Order: sequence, then structure tokens, then C-alpha cells
Amino acid sequence: SQQGEEDPQALSIQEGENATMNCSYKTSINNLQWYRQNSGRGLVHLILIRSNEREKHSGRLRVTLDTSKKSSSLLITASRAADTASYFCATARAGTASKLTFGTGTRLQVTL
Amino acid sequence: KAGVTQTPRYLIKTRGQQVTLSCSPISGHRSVSWYQQTPGQGLQFLFEYFSETQRNKGNFPGRFSGRQFSNSRSEMNVSTLELGDSALYLCASSSGGVPNTEAFFGQGTRLTVV
Repeated sequence: SQQGEEDPQALSIQEGENATMNCSYKTSINNLQWYRQNSGRGLVHLILIRSNEREKHSGRLRVTLDTSKKSSSLLITASRAADTASYFCATARAGTASKLTFGTGTRLQVTL
Repeated sequence: KAGVTQTPRYLIKTRGQQVTLSCSPISGHRSVSWYQQTPGQGLQFLFEYFSETQRNKGNFPGRFSGRQFSNSRSEMNVSTLELGDSALYLCASSSGGVPNTEAFFGQGTRLTVV
């Protein structure tokens, strides 16, 4: 079963705009990872944030984690058409670090 | 450094048959996990192997099995295929020895059961 929900389910923006996706989860975690998936292909790892971290940056990506609210957000700044994809959060619980539980995903469409 | 390699990329099988999927992890990684992705259930964890031993298991029937070889390559087998087994099967590779390590995925095997 899914660990949690992602919000929104779908997001359509224009190139150059920022895109924000939210992820909620249900249990205590070791870390949370964000992935991108293009058209039913493999998952591309974007970023990992540990449970004791609150914010992390990687290029145009900014991830925040609020363990008190059991939620995370992914911000993509200055979106490009190539960012069009589905984005998933995945959590690893303490003691089962290699077992990831995925959210439902957000489909991002970036138009020119 | 080569990524995670899954073979084959596509498979079409008939109900009742069995199938074997293969995954070669990133060099040096000892953990291989398998996931099933369907439109209805999303991404679900099947099992994880670390140093040739199954370390974690998801909630799938016994028809789904796996193994890992001494070179860390892993195979997943599904017996007595059902229509509902049609899915994208993804394998993930990680170092697995310590927590908080990233998991890297292959391109997946698209299985269609007819």
C-alpha cells in the first residue's frame, strides 16, 4: 500500500514558472527521496533528505522536510519543458532503509 | 560508472506461464530491491536482497520470488502468471550497508500477460 499522498495529482505550468509538489507520509522515517519518471520508464533519483535535515538544495531543486507534520515539498525553479514528468516521493523507515514506500506521484506538465 | 541494467525491457507472456527478469546493479552495490508499478496500485515493494540473502519482503504472493548471486546480480521470477501481473517491474540498486543511501533504479521491464 502507498505510504502517503502527493499533492497535487497533476500540475500544469508554463516554462519559466516554479513548480511545487507536496508529499505526506504516515510513519517515522530515516530519509525521504524524490524521483522523476518519464512516461513509464525508470525512476531517476533527484535528491535524498535525511530525517534530521530540514532543507536541501540541488541545482534548481529545493526540498524541505517537516517531520512533525510528516510532510515534504519539492520545488523546481525556472521549470523547463524537459521537466515534464511524474514526480514521486519515497520514504525509508528506520530499520528498513532499503525498503522504499512510494507516494502516489504528481504529474507535471511544463508547456512552452 | 554503469547504471542499473534490467533485461529484458519488454516481455509478453501468456497466463499460466512463468517469467524470469534480471537486474545487474551498479558496481559495488550489494543491495537489490524489486518493485512493481501498476496504474491502480502505484509503486509497490516486492523484496530486497543483500549479499545473496533476502532481507525484506513485501506483501506479494509466493508466486513472486527472487534470488541474488555472488556478483550481486539478481533475478526475479513470477510463476503461474495472471493478467493482473502485467506491470512495469523496476529494480533498485544501493550500497545497502548503511542507512540513508540513495537507491538508483533501472529502466524497468514491461511485462504484459495475455
